Amino acid sequence: AQSVTQLDSHVSVSEGTPVLLRCNYSSSYSPSLFWYVQHPNKGLQLLLKYTSAATLVKGINGFEAEFKKSETSFHLTKPSAHMSDAAEYFCVVTPPFKTIFGAGTRLFVKA
Amino acid sequence: GAGVSQSPSNKVTEKGKDVELRCDPISGHTALYWYRQSLGQGLEFLIYFQGNSAPDKSGLPSDRFSAERTGGSVSTLTIQRTQQEDSAVYLCASSSGHGKPQHFGDGTRLSIL
Repeated sequence: AQSVTQLDSHVSVSEGTPVLLRCNYSSSYSPSLFWYVQHPNKGLQLLLKYTSAATLVKGINGFEAEFKKSETSFHLTKPSAHMSDAAEYFCVVTPPFKTIFGAGTRLFVKA
Repeated sequence: GAGVSQSPSNKVTEKGKDVELRCDPISGHTALYWYRQSLGQGLEFLIYFQGNSAPDKSGLPSDRFSAERTGGSVSTLTIQRTQQEDSAVYLCASSSGHGKPQHFGDGTRLSIL
């Protein structure tokens, strides 16, 4: 069975400190993996994608994610949080014929 | 270039009425998805169109929900005899194929009184 688990429903960091949003997946196939961000009253925007070319994937706005097959993880990181990063983040896996969204992690950034 | 466009952006209607939500995908995208997002919740898959293949309707919550995609482009999601639990944001996305990044519209916020 395929699934995605975002390990934290919400994360709170101070501006300028590192961000870590955790995602674990389960798939019988080699999936494509994505991170999307959703700001209030907006649709989802692609942050980055993994499609087996490289295990460390760089995305927009300074975010990156590392694919670790042995741990079935695809955690999202950013070295230094900015106030504008406050949003909801979704980890997504796409095995054949399906798109599976995680439940989301809301990121709060304190001044 | 133009992104995914959804209309209306907001819709308020009375319980029992029918509603139609429209999605205009990115030109050339063969895949089109509808999702529902209830307040504070993640995304719930509703339906997926891929080219001329039969759509994957496995996520539609009841037979009051239907969708069509005319000419492989614009899609309409129809909810008949709306109920209060249908209140949510309905998001549409398109992509160049399965496994490719999805591009989302800003959604239609549906409120059932």
